[in-house]
Amino acid sequence: GENVEQHPSTLSVQEGDSAVIKCTYSDSASNYFPWYKQELGKGPQLIIDIRSNVGEKKDQRIAVTLNKTAKHFSLHITETQPEDSAVYFCAASNRGSTLGRLYFGRGTQLTVWP
Amino acid sequence: GAVVSQHPSWVICKSGTSVKIECRSLDFQATTMFWYRQFPKQSLMLMATSNEGSKATYEQGVEKDKFLINHASLTLSTLTVTSAHPEDSSFYICSASRGFYNSPLHFGNGTRLTVT
Repeated sequence: GENVEQHPSTLSVQEGDSAVIKCTYSDSASNYFPWYKQELGKGPQLIIDIRSNVGEKKDQRIAVTLNKTAKHFSLHITETQPEDSAVYFCAASNRGSTLGRLYFGRGTQLTVWP
Repeated sequence: GAVVSQHPSWVICKSGTSVKIECRSLDFQATTMFWYRQFPKQSLMLMATSNEGSKATYEQGVEKDKFLINHASLTLSTLTVTSAHPEDSSFYICSASRGFYNSPLHFGNGTRLTVT
């Protein structure tokens, strides 16, 4: 099955700085890569996703890049704010005609200091 | 707003009793829902895939007789933890998707189960 590795496990940045979280995957058949933000005591919230036919996607301060050849994808958060503090999970899935299961990374605890 | 509703958000029960957790897709039909378990400071562990109108598919190591899943309608799946024990205490989260190729997977807000 798929194996998703996520780094770093913890990340501390100063407000206004950028944060980058990196993930690698093992199954070349994976074609869908979402990122989730989980606040304490809540369920994961989808913040951005990317499909394998796209190399980069942006949504305001958040961007995701995908390198299919190297099998890695990254989350970039610019101009970080204290409210960005949370656990971020990357995931990979093979989505075809049916809904493929998600394989999650171990998560990154992001702390943004004011 | 939320597209997947989970209830209750927290529950405390005594050892040996059963607890039911509901997961609803709010404005769409979900033929497939997923149930996850999450321990503190850990990632989400898939327990089972719930399919409307058929038996759930359980991941290896998950006891299907202990974690009963019923996907009775296109908008509702339930997870029942039977004969709960303290080691079943955890955060349980469901997720659902509209099922189309481009549809993302949305998660409920989870249920914190504490077994005393």
